[in-house]
Order: sequence, then C-alpha cells, then structure tokens
Amino acid sequence: GNSVTQMEGPVTLSEEAFLTINCTYTATGYPSLFWYVQYPGEGLQLLLKATKADDKGSNKGFEATYRKETTSFHLEKGSVQVSDSAVYFCALSAPNTGNQFYFGTGTSLTVIP
Amino acid sequence: DTAVSQTPKYLVTQMGNDKSIKCEQNLGHDTMYWYKQDSKKFLKIMFSYNNKELIINETVPNRFSPKSPDKAHLNLHINSLELGDSAVYFCASRQTAGPSYNEQFFGPGTRLTVL
Repeated sequence: GNSVTQMEGPVTLSEEAFLTINCTYTATGYPSLFWYVQYPGEGLQLLLKATKADDKGSNKGFEATYRKETTSFHLEKGSVQVSDSAVYFCALSAPNTGNQFYFGTGTSLTVIP
Repeated sequence: DTAVSQTPKYLVTQMGNDKSIKCEQNLGHDTMYWYKQDSKKFLKIMFSYNNKELIINETVPNRFSPKSPDKAHLNLHINSLELGDSAVYFCASRQTAGPSYNEQFFGPGTRLTVL
C-alpha cells in the first residue's frame, strides 16, 4: 500500500541552523511528493512539490529532492529563521488510488532566536 | 480572495448536539475533501467527493455525513456529537485535471470542541 513516514518531532533549532526533516515513502507506481507547512492556527499550505524522480522542489529557501532509489523526499533548509516555526507534513499523491493523498504524521519545528 | 473557506472557525458545543461545518471553494475545483486533525496533528482523511463519487473512509462513524449542494460546497454534518469528535477539521479541494491536478488546497480549519 501507500504510506509516508517522517521523522518524529518536536525539533528545536537555533536561528541560522541547518534543518533536515526526513521523509520516506512506500508507493505503487510513480507518486508525486509534497511538503506542506502549517503555521500556528492556520491551515496547510503547499511548501514545495516534485512530480518525478530526481526532481527538486524548492521554495522560501527550502529544498527537497525526489529520490526514487531511496524512496525519500527529505526537506532541507540551510539557515532557519524564527518565522519557520511550524508543523511540516510530507505527503504523497498516488495515481493508483485516484491521486488520493497520504500524509506523514507531521514534524513540529521550533526555531529559537 | 480566499480560495477555500470554512465556517465557523471555532465551534464549541455540548455532547449529543448536531452541528454542521460549511466549506466553500472558489477555485472551480471538481473534488473536495474533509480531514480530521487530532491533538497530535495527525491528519486523517474522512471523505473525498466529486460530482460523480463519494468515497468514505470506512473508519469514519456514520454520525458524520458530507452534504454537497453544488460543486463549490461540501458541508460536514455531525450528529450526536461525542467528546472524541473534538479536533480541527480541514476542508480541501483539488482539480483532477490540469497542471496542478495532484495538488490539494486547504481551508483554514474549524476547531470543534465538544464539552
């Protein structure tokens, strides 16, 4: 079946630190992969996406590369800011299930000054 | 302009009551969803619906029922509310064809508290 596993939080970093949030997936066929971000008190917003192997999604200094060989889509940012404090969700959209979304459990990030 | 909107933003009610949450999208999308997010931020899909098909997550109690008056609206009706229904409920929408066919757009959420 289809599923997403992401590293558990919470994660606490100092401002300007390097961020990695690991995400691996299991899927049949060729899924699309996403990172969504949820700021406190808000809904989910698309942060970045990749639709095929070796694609790199990027936005707001965040990056993630679709690695088919390791079935991974790790989120990285070189220098985090306090405003990046949020919950981050890895997700896949599976064509074999009509593009139903499968979300990871979310990783809470707190960046301290 | 808000793409996916939900009302109310907060809902506090007593156990046993019946309540509805409304969702509207102005994106022209053909598929809409309801998700439940628990206190640990875990997201669980409850329903997906387009004008052809309603897909229900079989673990969702039949006290929950989606109602779609038209393509732009998918409301969530809950009967006989229980304490465990307390959560944040998110509506989402998607267009099943086109350049962003595999992306879902989320509403701001409705925080339901059952006392």
